[in-house]
Amino acid sequence: ILNVEQSPQSLHVQEGDSTNFTCSFPSSNFYALHWYRWETAKSPEALFVMTLNGDEKKKGRISATLNTKEGYSYLYIKGSQPEDSATYLCAFGNEKLTFGTGTRLTIIP
Amino acid sequence: DADVTQTPRNRITKTGKRIMLECSQTKGHDRMYWYRQDPGLGLRLIYYSFDVKDINKGEISDGYSVSRQAQAKFSLSLESAIPNQTALYFCATSDQRASYNEQFFGPGTRLTVL
Repeated sequence: ILNVEQSPQSLHVQEGDSTNFTCSFPSSNFYALHWYRWETAKSPEALFVMTLNGDEKKKGRISATLNTKEGYSYLYIKGSQPEDSATYLCAFGNEKLTFGTGTRLTIIP
Repeated sequence: DADVTQTPRNRITKTGKRIMLECSQTKGHDRMYWYRQDPGLGLRLIYYSFDVKDINKGEISDGYSVSRQAQAKFSLSLESAIPNQTALYFCATSDQRASYNEQFFGPGTRLTVL
């Protein structure tokens, strides 16, 4: 069983502030690292698929970086808004994904 | 219309009962998955299927069985439900032609076993 860890477990951020959190994964046999956004009472939705060392992906105010050699990915949110409140999951693997436990982000208005 | 649907959305049952959770998809994907989510734990894979004739156990398959009735349908059964199977269950799909196995999730089924 692969070990995928996310930190912090939860986070409260003031509206307008920027924030980031981490996903760590095995650095050997890397294939892809996925980020999902999961709002309460909804389905997890894909944000990014990271595949290359040094990769950086961006979608609006959210971006992610990848370091496959050291086994981590950062997710950044710039200028947090209340609608960013959600649990952010990362998942590692190929045909089968191993998910981290998530970072639960709450934006305080 | 939702691309991945799950029924029921909520279910309360008693210990020892047989329960079936159903998943249907209109995405035309060949791969389907069942996960459970428990507080403080990540999504854990129960079973997965890469096509109608291919069924594989995941990380936590004990106490569960599945049926892939058609490409679009993948059912999860609890033959004799027990309280520690109380969880949120997700079905997901992916397209084998996609490069990196992006998965698309259903809305989830909240199951409570008393």
